[in-house]
Amino acid sequence: DSGVTQTPKHLITATGQRVTLRCSPRSGDLSVYWYQQSLDQGLQFLIQYYNGEERAKGNILERFSAQQFPDLHSELNLSSLELGDSALYFCASSVRTGDGYTFGSGTRLTVV
Amino acid sequence: QQQVKQSPQSLIVQKGGISIINCAYENTAFDYFPWYQQFPGKGPALLIAIRPDVSEKKEGRFTISFNKSAKQFSLHIMDSQPGDSATYFCAATSAGGTSYGKLTFGQGTILTVHP
Repeated sequence: DSGVTQTPKHLITATGQRVTLRCSPRSGDLSVYWYQQSLDQGLQFLIQYYNGEERAKGNILERFSAQQFPDLHSELNLSSLELGDSALYFCASSVRTGDGYTFGSGTRLTVV
Repeated sequence: QQQVKQSPQSLIVQKGGISIINCAYENTAFDYFPWYQQFPGKGPALLIAIRPDVSEKKEGRFTISFNKSAKQFSLHIMDSQPGDSATYFCAATSAGGTSYGKLTFGQGTILTVHP
């Protein structure tokens, strides 16, 4: 157990729907990062939050949004889902920016 | 300039052999270079990392070699074991600037160690 908890582990939904992925970082970690992993694109950075504030954005679609709550857990919201959004979504956390971080086990999203 | 290029895409090694995976980067602002190991159905796990002020770092059977002038770094797995069979990712980041710790990953190397 890495200490980073992601729920749900698997999600199957239809095109056009909206889903929410949840992440609880390791105790004491203030930074939360979201990554998308697909076979053709590899691990792609989506967005980072630090202590509740958005810090950096990567290749995150406008249909996707995220937030980090006061208790430091984070949620990634994916809307108007398309078949191409099917992927593994990982959350990671770190104590501070700039160090290696710890990944959760991911949420496998399948859009049908 | 943000790319990290990793090779080979796949690697087959006999038990006891040496596995070598190479990465090259372009962004000279990168100052932290971790390697991650990923097993099927799991998230990437930090294996070993290096900063550019040293040329080599060793932890057990795993060694990172770093060549700052060539902007290359590599992972060596000595005495490779079947349990090392996994996908390995190199990555790079910089603490400063606007990247704020975003990791840029290589495309991954699938390592298979035959018994």
